Amino acid sequence: KAGVTQTPRYLIKTRGQQVTLSCSPISGHRSVSWYQQTPGQGLQFLFEYFSETQRNKGNFPGRFSGRQFSNSRSEMNVSTLELGDSALYLCASSPGTSVPALVLNEQFFGPGTRLTVL
Amino acid sequence: AQSVAQPEDQVNVAEGNPLTVKCTYSVSGNPYLFWYVQYPNRGLQFLLKYITGDNLVKGSYGFEAEFNKSQTSFHLKKPSALVSDSALYFCAVSPLMNRDDKIIFGKGTRLHILP
Repeated sequence: KAGVTQTPRYLIKTRGQQVTLSCSPISGHRSVSWYQQTPGQGLQFLFEYFSETQRNKGNFPGRFSGRQFSNSRSEMNVSTLELGDSALYLCASSPGTSVPALVLNEQFFGPGTRLTVL
Repeated sequence: AQSVAQPEDQVNVAEGNPLTVKCTYSVSGNPYLFWYVQYPNRGLQFLLKYITGDNLVKGSYGFEAEFNKSQTSFHLKKPSALVSDSALYFCAVSPLMNRDDKIIFGKGTRLHILP
């Protein structure tokens, strides 16, 4: 089975721009979660999608948004980029059940997208 | 508030020696506990989890973790370290009581296995 894929792997943007990151989960997985990883803050949960619905959300401003398509692929969008948005953005998929995946199931992570904001 | 702490930013262990990476948590009710490992330029990989049952959980690559409810700890252990175990290790906790709660990761501990 192919693993979780994320595109692009590296991205350089300037302040004020917006960016869209893409994640393709493992085939059959219905839950997709997004995380931001920085040296200072560590790994922080952004949001989780299950069956095209946002099921859980972390403490990030509204500039961070996402969506999930019917094939379970997910995109994350960050608008009006700030320098502090520079980070590794990780996507994780899980088979998913009616109970939030975060609680029960281990997650399978992609390699991440390294975003640099100049 | 729910939290998880990894008190050591870095742990150095000689190859062949036992290793321990520490994790303590604070949640309301019973927790689900996880360990993940991140190799350079890679995403996180699941190592093991504790849901319920035996306090000693065995996982991938020869790792195990011991759940201690009285000390609210979930330390990761391995009897004999390999150089290839050098990586960044994350402990994570998800509260059991409130299923709307998010998973919380520790800041990570960098493990260096010295040849």
